[in-house]
Amino acid sequence: QVQLVQSGGEVKKPGASVKVSCKASGYTFTSYGVTWVRQAPGQGLEWMGWISGYNGNTNYAQKLQGRVTMTTDTSTSTAYMELRSLRSDDTAVYYCARNYLLRELDYWGQGTLVTVSS
Amino acid sequence: SYVLTQPPSVSVAPGQTARITCGGNNIGSKSVHWYQQKPGQAPVLVVYDDRDRPSGIPERFSGSNSGNTATLTISRVEAGDEADYYCQVWDSSSDHLVVFGGGTKLTVL
Repeated sequence: QVQLVQSGGEVKKPGASVKVSCKASGYTFTSYGVTWVRQAPGQGLEWMGWISGYNGNTNYAQKLQGRVTMTTDTSTSTAYMELRSLRSDDTAVYYCARNYLLRELDYWGQGTLVTVSS
Repeated sequence: SYVLTQPPSVSVAPGQTARITCGGNNIGSKSVHWYQQKPGQAPVLVVYDDRDRPSGIPERFSGSNSGNTATLTISRVEAGDEADYYCQVWDSSSDHLVVFGGGTKLTVL
């Protein structure tokens, strides 16, 4: 069965960086992309970006350009999302989700809470 | 960028039909996907490509899309359907490849 398992919660200070992992299983990793979505406390879903599992091509939300990097390790079927220069408004639950081409997000990770606080 | 507009809340009695709308400019020309999110849980896909259901999703969940409005319909609503619902499209013409609606809180009275 398809599973996306994310790394555990993190507490970071403002200005620091965080790297969240998303380990996929149950499908051919290189045949799908991984989309990253975050959700601030009490808020809606915000798209962060997408990475191809096939060739590593990326597309980032404009507001995060320069602070976010998404990568994959096909040898371990793992996607990573690194966010730098953290601010308090980056406090959120971060999700990875699988998608095939520009289609629905059919499987989601369990979420990773990142708390940014001094 | 492309904007999707959802009502913040919808209330319905058990056994009745809930309709959650998602408005967008010519949204009928796009494929709309719907997600259900219960408190403390990750979103779950309930309808994709306007009207198709993933395996395991009850037939009570259905969708439609035309003109400037897409609609998620939940028939014979149950207490367990109480959740936040989000619509989503892909929009390659804007700076946001993936666009979500603001979400609708479904309350079962």
